[in-house]
Amino acid sequence: AQKITQTQPGMFVQEKEAVTLDCTYDTSDPSYGLFWYKQPSSGEMIFLIYQGSYDQQNATEGRYSLNFQKARKSANLVISASQLGDSAMYFCAMIESLFLFGGYNKLIFGAGTRLAVHP
Amino acid sequence: EAQVTQNPRYLITVTGKKLTVTCSQNMNHEYMSWYRQDPGLGLRQIYYSMNVEVTDKGDVPEGYKVSRKEKRNFPLILESPSPNQTSLYFCASGGRDQPQHFGDGTRLSIL
Repeated sequence: AQKITQTQPGMFVQEKEAVTLDCTYDTSDPSYGLFWYKQPSSGEMIFLIYQGSYDQQNATEGRYSLNFQKARKSANLVISASQLGDSAMYFCAMIESLFLFGGYNKLIFGAGTRLAVHP
Repeated sequence: EAQVTQNPRYLITVTGKKLTVTCSQNMNHEYMSWYRQDPGLGLRQIYYSMNVEVTDKGDVPEGYKVSRKEKRNFPLILESPSPNQTSLYFCASGGRDQPQHFGDGTRLSIL
């Protein structure tokens, strides 16, 4: 079974509007971390935001926020006020066994969502 | 500035010619890892290292070697590259309770 599922292969959004990129995950581990990375066409992988499974509040980083719904096992990324430079591939990823390994474990990636921001 | 530096960024080479992709981080991270990214397959872990002289296989280690003689460096070695190793490679490093940061990637083409 897929551990990380991103059901939207591609998304379009108008500049300055908000957009939500979906991510659901599957784990029986009680301690895990969820990440979002951005990959522009130039290829680099840029860390955006992190949510731990025991964090009480949803993570926010500037225009990025993570809508974490633990019972539904979803960790959607919300980008507010989209900009042209937000056009990129976005990956949701998970690390399991956080209490055991800290951050010393492999990232499990979803297939990604390609976001296009239109002027 | 916190960085993970990979070299080269791009490489075209031929089957069987040994190559090394270097990775260096300046964040004193203990954990380092190599991933490859392929269309339709996403990112998969090749090897990882928990600390100096401690390395282990990831999900797709065949055809690769690594070493970790110093904390900051984690080179990826392809002893006898083959065309199925044509891919985009990423080095990543992370500390305890810190997100993993990636290098800018190495596009490798093996003819």
